[in-house]
Amino acid sequence: DTAVSQTPKYLVTQMGNDKSIKCEQNLGHDTMYWYKQDSKKFLKIMFSYNNKELIINETVPNRFSPKSPDKAHLNLHINSLELGDSAVYFCASSHRTSITGELFFGEGSRLTVL
Amino acid sequence: GDSVTQMEGPVTLSEEAFLTINCTYTATGYPSLFWYVQYPGEGLQLLLKATKADDKGSNKGFEATYRKETTSFHLEKGSVQVSDSAVYFCALSESRSNYQLIWGAGTKLIIKP
Repeated sequence: DTAVSQTPKYLVTQMGNDKSIKCEQNLGHDTMYWYKQDSKKFLKIMFSYNNKELIINETVPNRFSPKSPDKAHLNLHINSLELGDSAVYFCASSHRTSITGELFFGEGSRLTVL
Repeated sequence: GDSVTQMEGPVTLSEEAFLTINCTYTATGYPSLFWYVQYPGEGLQLLLKATKADDKGSNKGFEATYRKETTSFHLEKGSVQVSDSAVYFCALSESRSNYQLIWGAGTKLIIKP
């Protein structure tokens, strides 16, 4: 009964491959996010969806494409993987106008590109 | 634009020591302030928050007071434990940026027994 679940937890792949990370939340939230955390723990928002609609699209290479089939799911597809894509990717969710500021995070998906 | 600055880590302390992790912010409006904690191998979770000046957030023995005059939100704990070892993130949100969280760089805390 995990609130925000991501799969896979670990992903090791070769440069040039295409991979996907899936995220699901069972909290009834209407906003979901993808964050990238680098090796120095710096956290950077990539995308945010509200009710399946893209509301934040930060400066991210267009090799990264989010997809939200419904408001409980937000997947991340990455084409033509590069070494610099190696990081931990976190999915999170919240209520739309989260004045409380509380985001609920998944456990992360560690991507290693060789 | 809005920003959050945290003290650089790692911060290494012995068990039962007093902890302070500094956080200062820059904001155009009246932000809400937050501390998140990330334990090893886990996602971030909200530790405490304060929504207006002079508010004190507290949880699990941690405290932080919203100081508008010094634009600070320092995290404190009187006696740390090994289990407090984690990365701590300060963040802010405000209505002008549609409540999107602005994050600090994170401070790694290491507690030695």
